[in-house]
Amino acid sequence: DIQMTQSPASLSASLGETVTIECRASEDIYNGLAWYQQKPGKSPQLLIYNANSLHTGVPSRFSGSGSGTQYSLKINSLQSEDVASYFCQQYYNYPNTFGAGTKLELK
Amino acid sequence: QVQLKESGPGLMQPSETLSLTCTVSGFSLTSNGVGWVRQPLGKGLVWMGTIWAGGSTNYNSAVQSRLSISRDTSKSQVFLKMNSLQPEDTGTYYCARLSRYGYTYGYYFDYWGQGVMVTVSS
Repeated sequence: DIQMTQSPASLSASLGETVTIECRASEDIYNGLAWYQQKPGKSPQLLIYNANSLHTGVPSRFSGSGSGTQYSLKINSLQSEDVASYFCQQYYNYPNTFGAGTKLELK
Repeated sequence: QVQLKESGPGLMQPSETLSLTCTVSGFSLTSNGVGWVRQPLGKGLVWMGTIWAGGSTNYNSAVQSRLSISRDTSKSQVFLKMNSLQPEDTGTYYCARLSRYGYTYGYYFDYWGQGVMVTVSS
């Protein structure tokens, strides 16, 4: 199985700040990488697919980048509604596997 | 619009069989696959299995011997059955639609249901 190592596990940032979350795969996943946002008590919501494509309706302050085994999610100009947990998922190979998550809080 | 909604019992006893239903709208089960993902309380996400648009299935090897996913396309419903439940099966179960716009190798989850919490306890 492909292991997804996500960092940091938790993050505290101020409104308006830029935040970056990273995911490292145990082998090349050829951009088969998605990012999900999960607010407390809610289901995950797709933000980014194919490593860098923005899902419909997702604000443009979210962006994804990376290739090979290293990927990142960037949130520009952090808003209060961005407080959530974020998960990466590789779907290049089965079983699909997720990172352990990053909990983002406001400072 | 695309919607998925899970339903099923909230409390189960160890060794029982769990039956969950995912009712979808806004798309056809013969056009998109649907997967099931489990999330233990306060923890991460684990893919459990998928039923593809053609009706075939894939399961996570960790639960493969206990898990069955099926569907009724006329009712737009996907079913999860898992036997021999244990307390470690406790968590929120989500169904989610599969999509792969612009990618050859695999599918991501573009829409998720609200989830159903299942507790396994005696």
